[in-house]
Amino acid sequence: AQTVTQSQPEMSVQEAETVTLSCTYDTSESNYYLFWYKQPPSRQMILVIRQEAYKQQNATENRFSVNFQKAAKSFSLKISDSQLGDTAMYFCAFMNFNSGTYKYIFGTGTRLKVLA
Amino acid sequence: GAGVSQSPRYKVTKRGQDVTLRCDPISSHATLYWYQQALGQGPEFLTYFNYEAQPDKSGLPSDRFSAERPEGSISTLTIQRTEQRDSAMYRCASSEGTAGNTIYFGEGSWLTVV
Repeated sequence: AQTVTQSQPEMSVQEAETVTLSCTYDTSESNYYLFWYKQPPSRQMILVIRQEAYKQQNATENRFSVNFQKAAKSFSLKISDSQLGDTAMYFCAFMNFNSGTYKYIFGTGTRLKVLA
Repeated sequence: GAGVSQSPRYKVTKRGQDVTLRCDPISSHATLYWYQQALGQGPEFLTYFNYEAQPDKSGLPSDRFSAERPEGSISTLTIQRTEQRDSAMYRCASSEGTAGNTIYFGEGSWLTVV
């Protein structure tokens, strides 16, 4: 079975500092997608960044970047210049399509608090 | 519509009653997902549709749960004979296709079973 593990239930970071959230996953597939979603107190789910497994280059979106280590099955999220608005739950998600189903599997989340 | 719309936003029901939750996806989106999210947890997959077909319902917890999307657009999730453990947020999401497209979540329906 495919699983996603986020081993850090809670983290905090000072405003303007950098923080890294970890995510590991387990799969025997070679083609898949990985995502980070942000869930602020409003409980909306907002896509932060996505990565295709066949791409070696790490995805970047402004202050957000990932460190994708395919062999290690690791997909960490780095937030640079943290802002108070980054305070939220962050979910790592995995999706592959080779098994004939297209479901997204989410981790249990990391609660990030940015301190002023 | 412009976004994924779910109704009702909040529902309180007595144990043993049936409830139906509705999802109106983004109009061009072929794929629709239902997730269950308990407080402080990640979304748990329930089922998904590709148009009106339902290729995977492996996440439905029991036969009390069912979902429909008869015309490939609006979907409903029905929970029969509700139990307290069904209390959670039920989230609908949609995407344009299937392989790796971004999924867009609705704001969710909070269900409380008393």
